[in-house]
Amino acid sequence: EIVLTQSPGTLSLSPGERVSLSCWASQSVSSSYLAWYQQRPGQAPRLLIYGASRRATGIPDRFGGSGSGTDFTLIINRLEPEDFAVYFCQQYGSFPWTFGQGTKVEIK
Amino acid sequence: EVQLVQSGAEVKKSGESLRISCKASGYTFISYWISWVRQMPGKGLEWLGKIDPNESYTDYSPSSQGHVTISADKSIATVYLQWSSLKASDTAIYYCARSGANSWHLDYWGQGSLVTVSS
Repeated sequence: EIVLTQSPGTLSLSPGERVSLSCWASQSVSSSYLAWYQQRPGQAPRLLIYGASRRATGIPDRFGGSGSGTDFTLIINRLEPEDFAVYFCQQYGSFPWTFGQGTKVEIK
Repeated sequence: EVQLVQSGAEVKKSGESLRISCKASGYTFISYWISWVRQMPGKGLEWLGKIDPNESYTDYSPSSQGHVTISADKSIATVYLQWSSLKASDTAIYYCARSGANSWHLDYWGQGSLVTVSS
């Protein structure tokens, strides 16, 4: 089983700032099958990024993903009020699919 | 418009059985996998397993194998998650989610079903 570790656990930031979230895998994620999801309070998760760097339909271009192998990053440029949420990475390259424990981005 | 509509909240006792549902619409049902994802109170996401609705082929996580069963009814475009004997630790929100056609990221999610199990 591939274990995903996200860092940091919580980030306190102000609107307009840039944020970088990390996701490390215990083994190489095949074919960069790594996704990022956003979950706002009381809502279902929403797909942001798939294939490590591809934005999902309707996702603003201030969201970007990068990385390969075992190291992946989600970048959010110019935080908007609606971006304060929890972010999860997920690998779907090998079963069982696994999620990271999440990073909470909160308003400073 | 792709939609996954889940059944409502359930309150059960330990040892009881339960089946929750996820009804799909807006796309060709048999062409996409459906996964179930658990979120315990205040915690992160945990993938439980998935089904290929076309042939009802399933994969489970090691932690869910033998405790839950995922099934599908193609005639009504619905996927199920069921327990034969609930535990208090099954208390959680359960999401169904669709896997994309050319890659298996979870592109559409249901609204979630809250299951509360009392001991």
